[in-house]
This record gives sequence, C-alpha cells and structure tokens, in this order.
Amino acid sequence: TQLLEQSPQFLSIQEGENLTVYCNSSSVFSSLQWYRQEPGEGPVLLVTVVTGGEVKKLKRLTFQFGDARKDSSLHITAAQPGDTGLYLCAGALAGGTSYGKLTFGQGTILTVHP
Amino acid sequence: DAGVIQSPRHEVTEMGQEVTLRCKPISGHDYLFWYRQTMMRGLELLIYFNNNVPIDDSGMPEDRFSAKMPNASFSTLKIQPSEPRDSAVYFCASSFALAGGIGTDTQYFGPGTRLTVL
Repeated sequence: TQLLEQSPQFLSIQEGENLTVYCNSSSVFSSLQWYRQEPGEGPVLLVTVVTGGEVKKLKRLTFQFGDARKDSSLHITAAQPGDTGLYLCAGALAGGTSYGKLTFGQGTILTVHP
Repeated sequence: DAGVIQSPRHEVTEMGQEVTLRCKPISGHDYLFWYRQTMMRGLELLIYFNNNVPIDDSGMPEDRFSAKMPNASFSTLKIQPSEPRDSAVYFCASSFALAGGIGTDTQYFGPGTRLTVL
C-alpha cells in the first residue's frame, strides 16, 4: 500500500487541454513537494507547499495543498508538448522523527501530443 | 556547482557479481539519499545519511545491499551478490537542513545509474 496515492497513473492529452493530477493520503504531511522527471534524468523540484490550503502558481501550473495537509493537486492549463514527463509528489510526514526523509507517490506519466 | 554526480551512468553485469555505485553530493549538503526506481515500485528510498551517519536504512531490501559514506563528498551503494531483480535505476540525492529544522528542503537528484543484471 502506497502512503501517497497518485492519480491518474497515465495521462495522454492533446496540446491545449487542461489536466489535474492528484496526490492523496490518509496521513498528515508537514510539507509536500512536486517533482518533474524527464527520461534519463533525475527528478527536479517544481514547488514546495507547507501550509494547509496553500495555493502556488508557476506559470501555467497551479499547485494546491489540502486544508488538512493530507492531499495535493497539480493543475496544468493549456498543456504543451514540453510538459511531457513523469510528475511525482513527495511528502514529509508531520511529527516524523526522520527529518529530511520524503515519501514519494508512484508518479503520473503525462504525454502531451502536438 | 556541478550538481550531484553519479557513476557509472550505466552498468551491465551478470548475476552473482558485485556492483558498486558511486555518488558525489553537492558541496555543503549534509543529507545524502539513495533511491531505487522501477516501473513496478516507483521511487523507493533505500537509505539516507546525515553528516555521513546512516539515519534510516529501513528501505534496504536485504543484506546483499550496503551503503557507506566515508566522508562528506563521497558515498557508495554496493550490491553483493547481484540478482536480476536488482535491475533498476539508482538515484543519489542530496540536500541541506533548513534553519530551525522545520519543513523539508529541496532534494537535488543526480542523473542516476541504470543497472542491468543479466
């Protein structure tokens, strides 16, 4: 059982469409991060959210942290082929004794067709 | 900074052989993480170090896996003997603690080592 459940696992859309990726858990996180990974490379951080209800925007990407800090979403507006990649959410458990340790979701493979 | 450096980038070996993966973290970072990534299991944390000391090795699959960090600029992950099911991409990442120890700082990942055990 995954501590962080990401959905959907695969997403194939046309350029210009909008999409949302979800990251859910029954556990509370002190912070949650979203990473993007391209083939042959390691994940790269997109954003960190730390406050329940927090919304952050990065150009066409909007990230939201749930009020209870158990879930998060990533919304992409007008997707472009350059958005293609693996998107990973990762959380640091609240009250955990292992500072610095992240738990990763399974990831969402996004393909944006021209 | 050159970022996290991993070597080799690709490793092909036969079952039963010893494999050693190497990592040089970003200078000044005091946390180092080893992950394994497969399609089936996603990105799994194997072990992580703080100031060269192993903090949590609960993700190490079995005794065939061992990791060391002899100094702040070098770490190894060794598999002995290797098995086909160890085939995966192994990532090293590093980070530094935020002031006050609150929150989670960015983990910077290396390019990974693609291991194939035949």
